[in-house]
Amino acid sequence: NAGVTQTPKFQVLKTGQSMTLQCAQDMNHNSMYWYRQDPGMGLRLIYYSASEGTTDKGEVPNGYNVSRLNKREFSLRLESAAPSQTSVYFCASSPQRSAIYGYTFGSGTRLTVV
Amino acid sequence: QKEVEQNSGPLSVPEGAIASLNCTYSDRVSQSFFWYRQYSGKSPELIMSIYSNGDKEDGRFTAQLNKASQYVSLLIRDSQPSDSATYLCAVNGGSSNTGKLIFGQGTTLQVKP
Repeated sequence: NAGVTQTPKFQVLKTGQSMTLQCAQDMNHNSMYWYRQDPGMGLRLIYYSASEGTTDKGEVPNGYNVSRLNKREFSLRLESAAPSQTSVYFCASSPQRSAIYGYTFGSGTRLTVV
Repeated sequence: QKEVEQNSGPLSVPEGAIASLNCTYSDRVSQSFFWYRQYSGKSPELIMSIYSNGDKEDGRFTAQLNKASQYVSLLIRDSQPSDSATYLCAVNGGSSNTGKLIFGQGTTLQVKP
């Protein structure tokens, strides 16, 4: 049981390049989330998908887009990367829309934009 | 005022001591409370959840919730060097009830042998 799988684990981009971070869960969870984690800033929500077919903005959505491809997969796209997007990105999932049981996190993607 | 506040630390305790980690939250109607442990370079791992006032014990960990004071804490008994990590407090079910967890910035715990 893999849980939440994120790819890639590490990535270096040049300013202006685009890329997609992939996330897949095999726990039949309904809700999925993308967070970024920066020193001193904690975990900040970028986008989330409460259920298949829906997506909503979180606290810091600018510069990002998402796609809930199916119930298992939730991708995060950077259209034109900026140095301010250098961060560690975590995907998470929860069984229910209410997240009453908390999240399961993926292992993270460490992104550097130069 | 931040929605979820934690002292960033570091909190340093000797091996075998009790570590006490604290968290306050601003939304009075919050319903679910979580503690995550995050080792350096790793992802957060859920270690405790608590939903009602009082104490909840799981092995060496005890979570305490006081909704009247909007306060949740985590006690780690018999602290071990392997407990050295950052502990994140997360809160859910506030006024918006959108299912999103709000995280504190985390408290770094150092357990010294």
